[in-house]
Amino acid sequence: QKEVEQDPGPLSVPEGAIVSLNCTYSNSAFQYFMWYRQYSRKGPELLMYTYSSGNKEDGRFTAQVDKSSKYISLFIRDSQPSDSATYLCARGPDNYGQNFVFGPGTRLSVLP
Amino acid sequence: DTGVSQDPRHKITKRGQNVTFRCDPISEHNRLYWYRQTLGQGPEFLTYFQNEAQLEKSRLLSDRFSAERPKGSFSTLEIQRTEQGDSAMYLCASSSQSWLVNTGELFFGEGSRLTVL
Repeated sequence: QKEVEQDPGPLSVPEGAIVSLNCTYSNSAFQYFMWYRQYSRKGPELLMYTYSSGNKEDGRFTAQVDKSSKYISLFIRDSQPSDSATYLCARGPDNYGQNFVFGPGTRLSVLP
Repeated sequence: DTGVSQDPRHKITKRGQNVTFRCDPISEHNRLYWYRQTLGQGPEFLTYFQNEAQLEKSRLLSDRFSAERPKGSFSTLEIQRTEQGDSAMYLCASSSQSWLVNTGELFFGEGSRLTVL
């Protein structure tokens, strides 16, 4: 079982829609989770990170971690064509190592 | 520009040749990571340095791969006797270790795309 899994999509939504992107993770000991956005032929850029359970909001973006179900979500409100990208969830360093483990990414297209 | 820079951005080589990629991290960052990314996949961890010490290596890093960070600043990733399966984007990232814990702020470069013919 992979440590972090997500639906690769692609996901197409109309401009202004609320987008929900989801990941699952395998080990309940993981505590740090991140969402990265990657535009085509570019390196990933950090959107948000969260620790343990709960919600974190930043502008149009909300990250949510549910430790009981090992589920990570990213919500994008009022989606824009500029949000079209691949979204990667990741888990951060822990007692097992200092590397970051990424999911395969979900490709999102926001149509004008 | 004070971000992570990688060179070259694109390398085309023939099978069996050696290639070397360079990464210049953000200057105050003491941690440097190498990842590999293939089409439709997320970045896969290869190795990581804290200052000049290589502290972790993935099983993906075969004997043909070697990475160095000689003075704790820039890093190089060399692939010897390249194979077609090595074709991928090689991403470098850096971060600053806090005394508490790494908060997940990995800063990536634009990547070096390798095509092995």
